[in-house]
Amino acid sequence: GAGVSQSPSNKVTEKGKDVELRCDPISGHTALYWYRQSLGQGLEFLIYFQGNSAPDKSGLPSDRFSAERTGGSVSTLTIQRTQQEDSAVYLCASSRGISSYNEQFFGPGTRLTVL
Amino acid sequence: RKEVEQDPGPFNVPEGATVAFNCTYSNSASQSFFWYRQDCRKEPKLLMSVYSSGNEDGRFTAQLNRASQYISLLIRDSKLSDSATYLCVVNGPSNTGKLIFGQGTTLQVKP
Repeated sequence: GAGVSQSPSNKVTEKGKDVELRCDPISGHTALYWYRQSLGQGLEFLIYFQGNSAPDKSGLPSDRFSAERTGGSVSTLTIQRTQQEDSAVYLCASSRGISSYNEQFFGPGTRLTVL
Repeated sequence: RKEVEQDPGPFNVPEGATVAFNCTYSNSASQSFFWYRQDCRKEPKLLMSVYSSGNEDGRFTAQLNRASQYISLLIRDSKLSDSATYLCVVNGPSNTGKLIFGQGTTLQVKP
């Protein structure tokens, strides 16, 4: 079956612009996670959704970052007034539920470059 | 101190070698442990979960030492295709599914 998909695969933007990243999880997966990976770094947790609600937003780096999920499916991560330090690969993952025993399946990521 | 620490390497080994990666974690309340594999410019994929009693999957063996808060991954008879970055992963707060990733250890298997 189809895996997690993300779009766009690459995004180049100018400092100060807003960007929107999209994640389409595996059908039937109720849990959805956003991570980012900066060059040479490990993955950094940003936010997770259980259904449409986001109980834990603690990983969002600043109030310029926001995310939503509608219909228990597609999620968008929005970065307002992008800065150069926002440049990273943004990875989305989904799993059957929020238990840590459920395998998380990752999408291919969106590579964001802020000039 | 990072929550999950790994030696970034790189580890350069010849085909057929046995190689071991280690990882330490800081939260003694952690319950779930994993090794993920990440190929260059690709997404991470689950390699194996790590159980308290240790577990083996073919050429791969994972061990957990809760007392020392230490996780290991052993790869026997290395193949060229094993070249990748291996990520040590620990669960975050319970009931969130949040995963905490180490920086990764890079393995390069040479002919």
